[in-house]
Amino acid sequence: EVQLLESGGGLVQPGGSLRLSCAASGFTFSSYAMSWVRQAPGKGLEWVSAISGSGGGTYYADSVKGRFTISRDNSKNTLYLQVNSLRAEDTAVYYCAKATNSWELLNAFDYWGQGTLVTVSS
Amino acid sequence: DIVMTQSPDSLAVSLGERATINCKSSQSVLYSSNNKNYLAWYQQKPGQPPKLLIYWASTRESGVPDRFSGSGSGTDFTLTISNLQAEDVAVYYCQQYYSTPFTFGPGTKVDIK
Repeated sequence: EVQLLESGGGLVQPGGSLRLSCAASGFTFSSYAMSWVRQAPGKGLEWVSAISGSGGGTYYADSVKGRFTISRDNSKNTLYLQVNSLRAEDTAVYYCAKATNSWELLNAFDYWGQGTLVTVSS
Repeated sequence: DIVMTQSPDSLAVSLGERATINCKSSQSVLYSSNNKNYLAWYQQKPGQPPKLLIYWASTRESGVPDRFSGSGSGTDFTLTISNLQAEDVAVYYCQQYYSTPFTFGPGTKVDIK
């Protein structure tokens, strides 16, 4: 059974940093691109970043480029999102999501974690 | 960036009736090389993560009831929920994965009339 479990969220002051993690199980992690998608309270879904299965390709939304860094450790089956220079508008639930098909970035997301809440406030 | 729009913003449908949600992309999401539309539909219930319903615009995800169907090509797409059930109350999002940044529509809320 595929499972994705996010952690690392919390309350942080503007300008602060966090590292979000997503522990994956139930599939061959290194074969699948992964993404982070966020959802501000009461709002819609916003794709944040993606990474290829090997980790060699990374992609970002303009709203986070230069502040967020996606990475993965395939030996630990874990996806990460380093979030720096946080702003109030980064407050959201952050979900990790798995690509539907192996070896392809351009895929829908067939499994999602339960999310981790990041709150940016002084 | 590809902008996704949805209509209506919300709709209320009687149990057993049909709900139709439209999604439009600002540019085609059809790859001519494989004739696939890079368009997905998700369902999200309160307090839950999104759930994949449809991908490649019309392929139903495993385990999704066949009352959910997707259609369309190029820039115009439709999600149809036939024989609406109480458990279908949710917000529905379309998403393009033709190119990064992947983008979602604003969502359509479906309620029971």
